[in-house]
Amino acid sequence: AQTVTQSQPEMSVQEAETVTLSCTYDTSESNYYLFWYKQPPSRQMILVIRQEAYKQQNATENRFSVNFQKAAKSFSLKISDSQLGDTAMYFCAFYNQGGKLIFGQGTELSVKP
Amino acid sequence: EAGVTQFPSHSVIEKGQTVTLRCDPISGHDNLYWYRRVMGKEIKFLLHFVKESKQDESGMPNNRFLAERTGGTYSTLKVQPAELEDSGVYFCASSQGLAGNQETQYFGPGTRLLVL
Repeated sequence: AQTVTQSQPEMSVQEAETVTLSCTYDTSESNYYLFWYKQPPSRQMILVIRQEAYKQQNATENRFSVNFQKAAKSFSLKISDSQLGDTAMYFCAFYNQGGKLIFGQGTELSVKP
Repeated sequence: EAGVTQFPSHSVIEKGQTVTLRCDPISGHDNLYWYRRVMGKEIKFLLHFVKESKQDESGMPNNRFLAERTGGTYSTLKVQPAELEDSGVYFCASSQGLAGNQETQYFGPGTRLLVL
């Protein structure tokens, strides 16, 4: 069975600095997708970034990028130039052809002014 | 384009009562999912519809939970009778069908259920 682990329950970062959130997963599949979602306080969960396992190139979306290490089964999220609006709960998630997302426990990120 | 919507946003009920949650997916999305997050824990899968058919309901906790998706459009999730441990946030998500990007799921705002 697939599992996803986020080992950092809480993190904080100063505005304008860079922070990296960790995520590891376990699977025997070779074809799958990985996602980072964020849920700001009292707001909707939104997709931050996605990575296809067959792509070696790390995905980037503006200030958000991932470090995907397939052999190590690691999928960390780097947020550059952190902004106050980045304060949120961040969830790492795994998807395979079974259809459902498997989530990690979440990392609560606080960006401090 | 409207996103995934859920109703109600909050519900407070007493143990033993019935509650029905509703989800309207993004128009044209064949896949509809229900997830739940119990306080402080990870988000867990409940079930998956493809159009009006249940594709996977392996995450449904027990037979007090009943999900339907009439005509392959909106979905309801009924809890009857509700127990204290059913409290949590219920998320709905949708994604495109086989011909599209079915991997990326778009989430609704969630329904916060509190059973007293």
